[in-house]
Amino acid sequence: NAGVTQTPKFRVLKTGQSMTLLCAQDMNHEYMYWYRQDPGMGLRLIHYSVGEGTTAKGEVPDGYNVSRLKKQNFLLGLESAAPSQTSVYFCASAGGNSYEQYFGPGTRLTVT
Amino acid sequence: SQQGEEDPQALSIQEGENATMNCSYKTSINNLQWYRQNSGRGLVHLILIRSNEREKHSGRLRVTLDTSKKSSSLLITASRAADTASYFCATDVGNFNKFYFGSGTKLNVKP
Repeated sequence: NAGVTQTPKFRVLKTGQSMTLLCAQDMNHEYMYWYRQDPGMGLRLIHYSVGEGTTAKGEVPDGYNVSRLKKQNFLLGLESAAPSQTSVYFCASAGGNSYEQYFGPGTRLTVT
Repeated sequence: SQQGEEDPQALSIQEGENATMNCSYKTSINNLQWYRQNSGRGLVHLILIRSNEREKHSGRLRVTLDTSKKSSSLLITASRAADTASYFCATDVGNFNKFYFGSGTKLNVKP
């Protein structure tokens, strides 16, 4: 089992560019999440999904869009990147009767 | 914000000592979890305590929950250098396994 994987690991964007971050899990989990982590701020929930074809907003959804077309994948899109979106992005999944979230290794994004 | 807040923000101890970190939250919860994050890595689940539980143990970890004070504590006994990491509490306040994370306690265990 690979668990939760994220692609890419690092990315540098210019302001206004777009990109998609991919999260994949092989644990057949229903729930998937996207967080961002900024220094001293902990993790903040961007968007989450409770199942294939569903998405919902978290604490800081502005500037991001998501899609969950397949149960195992959760995509996070930035349509027009801004320097304020420079952060480390973590994907997580959870499922069954367990509340435990399994995290990916993170994507470090810099927007210049 | 419904985030939990950890205290202290940073803690430095000698190997073999106990480490205690606290989490306070604002609204009623269903359960509370603690996670560890090693530098540059993703978070790893440590332990979950439900709102109807007061104390839970897992190896060298002891978690307490006081719902009347809206607070939880994580105790790591006989700490090791490998325990050096950031520790986060996460509170579940509703459905869909949605959690709010605190800003973390950075623990440094000196060998």
